Amino acid sequence: DAGVTQSPTHLIKTRGQQVTLRCSPISGHKSVSWYQQVLGQGPQFIFQYYEKEERGRGNFPDRFSARQFPNYSSELNVNALLLGDSALYLCASSLAVVRDQETQYFGPGTRLLVL
Amino acid sequence: AQTVTQSQPEMSVQEAETVTLSCTYDTSESDYYLFWYKQPPSRQMILVIRQEAYKQQNATENRFSVNFQKAAKSFSLKISDSQLGDAAMYFCAYRSTYIIQGAQKLVFGQGTRLTINP
Repeated sequence: DAGVTQSPTHLIKTRGQQVTLRCSPISGHKSVSWYQQVLGQGPQFIFQYYEKEERGRGNFPDRFSARQFPNYSSELNVNALLLGDSALYLCASSLAVVRDQETQYFGPGTRLLVL
Repeated sequence: AQTVTQSQPEMSVQEAETVTLSCTYDTSESDYYLFWYKQPPSRQMILVIRQEAYKQQNATENRFSVNFQKAAKSFSLKISDSQLGDAAMYFCAYRSTYIIQGAQKLVFGQGTRLTINP
């Protein structure tokens, strides 16, 4: 079975631009979460979506937004990019959000560099 | 808010030896999950082991085992018979069991870089 997939693997943008990152969950998984991992730190939670609804949001500005599609894939959008947005963006999927179905499995990430 | 602390930025061990990575956490909740994830240079975050707080028995997965001390809020990872492929960043993570807005997020520690010496 395919794991979580993310695209693109690498991305270079300039300040002020907008970026869209994509994630496809493991087949059968209905929940997708997004994390930002700045170099040398642990991942920080950005969003969780379940059944196409936002279930949680981390302490990130409104420049960050996301959505989940009927096939459970997800997009993360970041507007007005800042240098500090340079990071590895990780997507994780889980079966559901109920007990014993919520273990999160991660994709390989998208490395975003903002110049 | 919950916090996770990994006090060892770097650790090294000889191949075939045993190493223990430390993790402490802070929470007011009584029911939660704890995880160890491994992140090799390929960046893929891989689940190593999972512990449910209500289970007193320590979780074990092959060469990986944990020492879960709930009262002390400590969750260490022991890797036995270390192999070169174990070299990676190891992250300890916490998650609440509550099904409420925002509760499903993983809270990560800063990570421990593990080096295996041949």
